[in-house]
Amino acid sequence: EAQVTQNPRYLITVTGKKLTVTCSQNMNHEYMSWYRQDPGLGLRQIYYSMNVEVTDKGDVPEGYKVSRKEKRNFPLILESPSPNQTSLYFCASRRSSGELSSYEQYFGPGTRLTVT
Amino acid sequence: AQTVTQSQPEMSVQEAETVTLSCTYDTSESDYYLFWYKQPPSRQMILVIRQEAYKQQNATENRFSVNFQKAAKSFSLKISDSQLGDAAMYFCAYRRTSGTYKYIFGTGTRLKVLA
Repeated sequence: EAQVTQNPRYLITVTGKKLTVTCSQNMNHEYMSWYRQDPGLGLRQIYYSMNVEVTDKGDVPEGYKVSRKEKRNFPLILESPSPNQTSLYFCASRRSSGELSSYEQYFGPGTRLTVT
Repeated sequence: AQTVTQSQPEMSVQEAETVTLSCTYDTSESDYYLFWYKQPPSRQMILVIRQEAYKQQNATENRFSVNFQKAAKSFSLKISDSQLGDAAMYFCAYRRTSGTYKYIFGTGTRLKVLA
């Protein structure tokens, strides 16, 4: 089954404690991305990657790090989480070319992060 | 910079009736895609419909259709014969055609369907 998986699905942590949210896709997609969703603000893109070792900032990259060492994985790293990073996070992926590349973006199930 | 605006935080519709959700956007690009995504309470993001900017014909997917007005930079979603399962958050989104994976989402419209 084609899917994007994220772990953990729920996480409660404390300010300053480094954490990593993993994202993996099994569709051999070139492109991967992280979003955060906040009430009244919609989805905002944090970082995206168009290939292995190629990443670029989205609209809200501050306080986050990413790496793309393998095509299937795109972890999101919060080195020193703060309460304003409490949010719902989505990972997504899509093809870079081909018939479905124009629109088919696959989303993971989301990770609810709370930073106290 | 591109922007996407959804001015209706919440809408209600009677079951079996028709509702239109509004979306406006701003861009200097001539070629791009526009999307409507649905997010039910399960939080899953579901693509509802897409529109290529170079196509004049409005996209249609079953009960869902769009009114794409390129000059006015407007992209509304019409849901016909509304069903209880249509209740969800709806997000409008924009992406340039090529060379990027950068998406711009609107703030969302919560749709309630009344039985």
